Amino acid sequence: DIQLTQSPSFLSASVGDRVTLTCRASQGISSYLAWYQQKPGKAPKLLIYGASTLQSGVPSRFSGSGSGTEFTLTISSLQPEDFATYYCQQVNNYPLTFGGGTKVEIK
Amino acid sequence: QVQLVQSGAEVKKPGSSVKVSCKASGGTLSSYTISWVRQAPGQGLEWMGRIILILGIPNYAQDFQGRVTITADKSTSTAYMELSSLRSDDTAVYYCARDRGDGMDVWGQGTTVTVSS
Repeated sequence: DIQLTQSPSFLSASVGDRVTLTCRASQGISSYLAWYQQKPGKAPKLLIYGASTLQSGVPSRFSGSGSGTEFTLTISSLQPEDFATYYCQQVNNYPLTFGGGTKVEIK
Repeated sequence: QVQLVQSGAEVKKPGSSVKVSCKASGGTLSSYTISWVRQAPGQGLEWMGRIILILGIPNYAQDFQGRVTITADKSTSTAYMELSSLRSDDTAVYYCARDRGDGMDVWGQGTTVTVSS
């Protein structure tokens, strides 16, 4: 199975900050990576697919990059509604696997 | 815009089974793949398996092989996930999601399954 390691596990930031979250795959997955945002008590929401393509309706302050084994999700200017937990998911191989998540909290 | 509506919360005894439903509203599921993902309290997301609705063929994660059965009824646009031999560590929120192959873009609201004696 492909392991995904997200870092950091926890991030404290302020409104307006630029934040970068990292996801590393245990083997190459080309660009077959998705990013999700999850708020407490809610289902995950798809933000990015294909490593860098913004899902319809997602604000442009979110961007994704990377290929192979190293990926990043960047929020260019953190907004109050962005405080949540973010997960990466590889869709290259079955079983599909998720990273352990990065929780973004208010500083 | 299709929405996925899941069945309500369940409380089960260890060793029993649970069957969770996932019904599409505002559209049909027939041309999609539905994945099931679970989340234990305070934990991350875990993919359990999927079903390609047009083919009716399921695939399961090895960790659940033999205990999970994913089915679908195309006539009612409803997918089902049945988990047997329940243990306390199966206590989780279970989600269905429309799986496009490049990501899961529509999610159900989640079904809480509590396993307790």
